[in-house]
Amino acid sequence: EVQLVESGGGLVQPGGSLRLSCVVSGFTFSSYAMSWVRQAPGKGLEWVSGISVSGGSTYYVDSVKGRFTISRDNSKNTLYLQMNSLRAEDTAVYYCAKKVTTTSSNFDYWGQGTLVTVSS
Amino acid sequence: QTVVTQEPSFSVSPGGTVTLTCGLSSGSVSFSHYPSWYQQTPGQAPRTLIYSTNTRSSGVPDRFSGSILGNQAALTITGAQGDDESDYYCVLYIGSGISLFGGGTKLTVL
Repeated sequence: EVQLVESGGGLVQPGGSLRLSCVVSGFTFSSYAMSWVRQAPGKGLEWVSGISVSGGSTYYVDSVKGRFTISRDNSKNTLYLQMNSLRAEDTAVYYCAKKVTTTSSNFDYWGQGTLVTVSS
Repeated sequence: QTVVTQEPSFSVSPGGTVTLTCGLSSGSVSFSHYPSWYQQTPGQAPRTLIYSTNTRSSGVPDRFSGSILGNQAALTITGAQGDDESDYYCVLYIGSGISLFGGGTKLTVL
């Protein structure tokens, strides 16, 4: 059974940092591209960042470029999102999502999400 | 600025058929956008219904189908049931590693 389990969310002050983790099981993590998708309270889904199978290529929505860093450790079956210089508008549930195949595809499996709240 | 468009809301009668659409402001949707559809109820993670245009995710009933209709991607639900009342999101891969979600369609079954 495919499972994606996020952790690391919480309450952080504006300008602060958080690192999200997503531990996966049930599939060969090193064979699939991955992404982070977020959903602000009462809003729709927003793709945030993606990473290639090897981790050599990374992609970001414009609003987080220079502040967020996606990475993966294929030996630990874990995806990460380092979030710096957090803003109130980054408040959202963050989902880890598995791509169907490579970067050039969309998502077939999702985690349950972890809530990030940016507030003073 | 490329935008993915969806109907904000739609209504269907129980047992009826509804087709939700997913368009692209910059042109036509094609298979190379790998259109995918997700169902979400409040407080829950998205559930994958359809990926890569028309591949049904594991466990999804065949009442749900995906296609390209004209210049848009489409999700058709036949024999609508009460628990189909949800938000439905499409996503398109637009290149350079970027995926773009539509704003979602709130489906009411009544």
